[in-house]
Amino acid sequence: SQELEQSPQSLIVQEGKNLTINCTSSKTLYGLYWYKQKYGEGLIFLMMLQKGGEEKSHEKITAKLDEKKQQSSLHITASQPSHAGIYLCGADIPGGSQGNLIFGKGTKLSVKP
Amino acid sequence: DAGVTQSPTHLIKTRGQHVTLRCSPISGHKSVSWYQQVLGQGPQFIFQYYEKEERGRGNFPDRFSARQFPNYSSELNVNALLLGDSALYLCASSPIGVGYEQYFGPGTRLTVT
Repeated sequence: SQELEQSPQSLIVQEGKNLTINCTSSKTLYGLYWYKQKYGEGLIFLMMLQKGGEEKSHEKITAKLDEKKQQSSLHITASQPSHAGIYLCGADIPGGSQGNLIFGKGTKLSVKP
Repeated sequence: DAGVTQSPTHLIKTRGQHVTLRCSPISGHKSVSWYQQVLGQGPQFIFQYYEKEERGRGNFPDRFSARQFPNYSSELNVNALLLGDSALYLCASSPIGVGYEQYFGPGTRLTVT
């Protein structure tokens, strides 16, 4: 079965610093999703990537999917306290219909003011 | 526009009891998926419903069941509750056929004692 591994598990950065979170799959990714979650709350959709080499940006967050479609990275530029939370990568379950996602365990981000 | 709504917000049940969780998708969304998120883990896929039919089922016991109504709202039922069922239950809706993003509700926190 497919697994998603996120690294690091947790991250503490000083406000203004850049950071990168990685998501690695054991199999080819056909749809890769990035979500942000505040503790104990619902998930907020950030970005979806489908094509090898694809890169998307929204405000100060950039996500990339590598050419082999087995690894994605999420990069935050000039981090702010509002970026704090848990970042989750999710992927379409192979053979499943759209909407069936598996998730990594998440990366907990803390931003020190 | 209203996002995905879930009720109740919190729930405390005793082992062996039954629970019903409810979800209303974003207006116009016809697909609803359910996920279970145990503390410290990523969400795990339970069910997907589209046009009132089950389109996907995760690796959960038969104690878990769900249905979707003509207005596309959905219920998740769990029978014979176990302590291990304590988790955040998330509902997500998506406009299959239009886009791929899933939009999550705030979740229902279930505690089984």
